[in-house]
Parts: sequence; structure tokens; C-alpha cells
Amino acid sequence: SQQGEEDPQALSIQEGENATMNCSYKTSINNLQWYRQNSGRGLVHLILIRSNEREKHSGRLRVTLDTSKKSSSLLITASRAADTASYFCATDAGNNNDMRFGAGTRLTVKP
Amino acid sequence: NAGVMQNPRHLVRRRGQEARLRCSPMKGHSHVYWYRQLPEEGLKFMVYLQKENIIDESGMPKERFSAEFPKEGPSILRIQQVVRGDSAAYFCASSPLSQDYEQYFGPGTRLTVT
Repeated sequence: SQQGEEDPQALSIQEGENATMNCSYKTSINNLQWYRQNSGRGLVHLILIRSNEREKHSGRLRVTLDTSKKSSSLLITASRAADTASYFCATDAGNNNDMRFGAGTRLTVKP
Repeated sequence: NAGVMQNPRHLVRRRGQEARLRCSPMKGHSHVYWYRQLPEEGLKFMVYLQKENIIDESGMPKERFSAEFPKEGPSILRIQQVVRGDSAAYFCASSPLSQDYEQYFGPGTRLTVT
């Protein structure tokens, strides 16, 4: 079953704008991961942030983690049409390596 | 509506044995994806199947690994002659024909090779 919750469910922006997606979860975690899925393809791992980290950057991606609020955000700066995809967060509780995925945010970047 | 089911949840094999991991997609779903997760790493895509067809196996190791999704029954990920490096969690996900963007994940199978 899915446990992470992303919001919004769908997001539509213009090229060049920033896109922010949020993820909330319920249990304590070892790490949280963000994935991208292009239409009809498998998931691509974007970034992993550990529970003792608050912020992480990778190129145009910025991820924050607030364990007190059990939430994370993914920011994509200067978006491009090629960023159009679904974005999922997944939490890893670390005990038996179970992953819990949210339902995803569908991002559309208009050229 | 039951979710994606995987079994076994935990599997222990000795080096050289075969491992068979099963994935039953959600009812009405005809697409299955397999992923591998090594400890402390993200999921890595392995293979994408539709019923009786392998659509994309670009993430599958060239040797010892195979996957199938028969017309009837679950999808099977088969690892022959397992080695210690195969120890990982293996997740499958399913999606319905008409909604490419939604994947529903199973709980995973933890394979330990001793």
C-alpha cells in the first residue's frame, strides 16, 4: 500500500518557472528518496536524503527534509519541457528495507 | 481490491542456487515493472513487461537474470546461480493499461544470499 502522500497531485507550469512538490509521510524514516517517471517508463532515482540531513542539491534539484513535520519538498528550478513527468517520493524506514511510495505528482511543463 | 502482492517477502539462498521472486499485479493491471534496491541505495529499474511481452529490459544484468509475465499467473523474476552481490530488495510495481503514470508498488522481496 502507498503511504507517502505527494501534493499537489498535478502541477502545470510554464518553462522557466520553478516547480515545488511536497511529500508527507507517517512513520519514522531512515531516508527519503525522490524518483521521476516518464510516461511508460520505469522509475529513475533522483536524489536520496537521509534522516539526519535537512537539505540536498543536485543540479537544478533541491530537496528539503523536515523530520519534525514528517515532510519533504522537491524543488525543480528553471523548469524545462523535458521535466514533464511524474515525481514520486519514497520513504525507507530502514528496519526491513520496506519502501513506501506515494501516488506521485504529475508535472507538466509547457514550452 | 488487493494491492500488488509479492512473495516470498524474505528469501534466503546459498550461493549457486536459484531464486524465484513472484509478483501478482493489482487486478486489471497488465503492466509490471521490476526494481532492485541495494542497501542504502535508491531503486534501480530492471525490466518492464506486459503480458507475454518484455517491453524494456535495459536494466537487467545480461547473465543469470530473467523475467516473465505469462498470460496466466504472476510475473516471475528468476535469478540463476545467485551470488552474494544479488542480495537486495526486489520490488515490483504494476500499472493499468490506460494510465501510464500511476504505478502501484508491492512490499518487496528481500533476498539474502549466504
